[in-house]
Amino acid sequence: DAGVIQSPRHEVTEMGQEVTLRCKPISGHNSLFWYRQTMMRGLELLIYFNNNVPIDDSGMPEDRFSAKMPNASFSTLKIQPSEPRDSAVYFCASSRTGGVSPLHFGNGTRLTVT
Amino acid sequence: DQQVKQNSPSLSVQEGRISILNCDYTNSMFDYFLWYKKYPAEGPTFLISISSIKDKNEDGRFTVFLNKSAKHLSLHIVPSQPGDSAVYFCAARGGTSYGKLTFGQGTILTVHP
Repeated sequence: DAGVIQSPRHEVTEMGQEVTLRCKPISGHNSLFWYRQTMMRGLELLIYFNNNVPIDDSGMPEDRFSAKMPNASFSTLKIQPSEPRDSAVYFCASSRTGGVSPLHFGNGTRLTVT
Repeated sequence: DQQVKQNSPSLSVQEGRISILNCDYTNSMFDYFLWYKKYPAEGPTFLISISSIKDKNEDGRFTVFLNKSAKHLSLHIVPSQPGDSAVYFCAARGGTSYGKLTFGQGTILTVHP
């Protein structure tokens, strides 16, 4: 059973460029989460979806960040324009809704903005 | 406003001894708590969980204790092994909001042979 798949694993870009991170959740999971990990703030939730619908985007830092989930098997997190302070590891996670199902994480995308 | 706190950034333990990782929370609405383990260049992986209606849950070498009155939980690893060396995150869920988790800052555990 494939886990959560994220691409790319590493992304290096220049300030001002658009960055798109991709995620394929585990089949059958209907909740999807985007987290960001930094030294200063640890793991913080950016946005999450249930049945492809955004439920809470209060963690999205600013309007430069946007996320979509066009179908049950794909989600993107876009940063436009990117800034050096966006450098972090971005994780996607998925779970089954309801009950006490834990989140399953991908291996993350390490973003470096120079 | 950090609702989940792990006050020890790191812990060093000898192989075979007990490792105790601690976590405090402030939100009384949290009803489910989890521990995740993270190796470098990998995503966090689920380790063990506990519901707020329990005070202890055990799975092999791993035991989680919950003290609701103190808003405190701990993870015990006995006996500790070098392969347990990783970053451990405490996480909490509140209500039924689709499994959204709030994480602590993490504790780096090093188990020396």
